[in-house]
Amino acid sequence: KNEVEQSPQNLTAQEGEFITINCSYSVGISALHWLQQHPGGGIVSLFMLSSGKKKHGRLIATINIQEKHSSLHITASHPRDSAVYICAVRWFPFDTGTASKLTFGTGTRLQVTL
Amino acid sequence: DVKVTQSSRYLVKRTGEKVFLECVQDMDHENMFWYRQDPGLGLRLIYFSYDVKMKEKGDIPEGYSVSREKKERFSLILESASTNQTSMYLCASSSPSGGKYNEQFFGPGTRLTVL
Repeated sequence: KNEVEQSPQNLTAQEGEFITINCSYSVGISALHWLQQHPGGGIVSLFMLSSGKKKHGRLIATINIQEKHSSLHITASHPRDSAVYICAVRWFPFDTGTASKLTFGTGTRLQVTL
Repeated sequence: DVKVTQSSRYLVKRTGEKVFLECVQDMDHENMFWYRQDPGLGLRLIYFSYDVKMKEKGDIPEGYSVSREKKERFSLILESASTNQTSMYLCASSSPSGGKYNEQFFGPGTRLTVL
């Protein structure tokens, strides 16, 4: 069964710390998503990537296709970064004809304290 | 901005009731999805639809049905609610023409409690 695993499950950091969240998957993918879910439920997409590295503000996402691994980094963390971070993958083969299903990791709950 | 709305943020129902969860998107997306989210299990796909009146089962369709009569609206139906269907329900939409990454846009979620 195709699986997505995230680590750690829970993470507590002090404001200003550099944070890394990891995601590993079992077989080839066409794309990997990093999502953020704040208390209350709403989910927003942070990154979509299939190779290399992307940066947006203090967030950096990297992916290593050969190792089937992705990381989400947060530099200079802030209490407003407290949320659940979710990794999701779209498996091969790439399918343009029908809905693109995603498989989700169980999430990493991040708490950033002052 | 893409907007996906869900009919209720919180809902309390009794065992055996028929429950309707409504989702509406305003970006003319072809694809719509219903997920449930439970602690320790992540998001699991219940049903998805890639066109009006088209639907496909996801990973956990048992106890649920769906309806898509109009492109913008995707309804999730619990025919006879049970306590194990207490969960957070999330709707999402995406467009196949939005590039190969097919970003999904999520609604705010409905927290359903079945007593």
